[in-house]
Amino acid sequence: KAGVTQTPRYLIKTRGQQVTLSCSPISGHRSVSWYQQTPGQGLQFLFEYFSETQRNKGNFPGRFSGRQFSNSRSEMNVSTLELGDSALYLCASSETATDTEAFFGQGTRLTVV
Amino acid sequence: GDSVTQMEGPVTLSEEAFLTINCTYTATGYPSLFWYVQYPGEGLQLLLKATKADDKGSNKGFEATYRKETTSFHLEKGSVQVSDSAVYFCALRINNAGNMLTFGGGTRLMVKP
Repeated sequence: KAGVTQTPRYLIKTRGQQVTLSCSPISGHRSVSWYQQTPGQGLQFLFEYFSETQRNKGNFPGRFSGRQFSNSRSEMNVSTLELGDSALYLCASSETATDTEAFFGQGTRLTVV
Repeated sequence: GDSVTQMEGPVTLSEEAFLTINCTYTATGYPSLFWYVQYPGEGLQLLLKATKADDKGSNKGFEATYRKETTSFHLEKGSVQVSDSAVYFCALRINNAGNMLTFGGGTRLMVKP
């Protein structure tokens, strides 16, 4: 069974631009969560989707948004990029809506210049 | 809110030394507890977990016991290897509240031959 696939692996963007990151969960998994990892703030939860519905949202500004499609693939979007958005963005997939193991992708490394 | 505190690193040990990484938590509900490991350039891998008080999680020689009375989940290994060098994250998930994980700050372990 293929693991969690995140694309692209690396991105360089300019301040003020927007970016879209993609996550394909493990086949059969319907829950997708997103995390931001930075040296200063560590791992912070962004949002969680199940069956195309956002279930939980972390404490991030409205520039950060996401969605989930009917095939469970998920995208997250960051608009009006700031230097502080430079981070490793990790996606995790889980089989059901709650209390199931999270499997992580390798992440997308976003650099904002 | 929920939070996880773990000892800061880096922790530097010689091969075959005993490892302890401390982790304590505060939770708004009943949590499950996890240790994840991250190797350079990779996402997170689940190392072990415990879902209720007094459970012991174990994997690859690592162990951790869910201590509700001290709100702790310390990671231990009797004899570390160079290949154990990585960053270790303690995390919690509130039961019946989705798959959202709250992480500690991470502890970098360096094992020298």
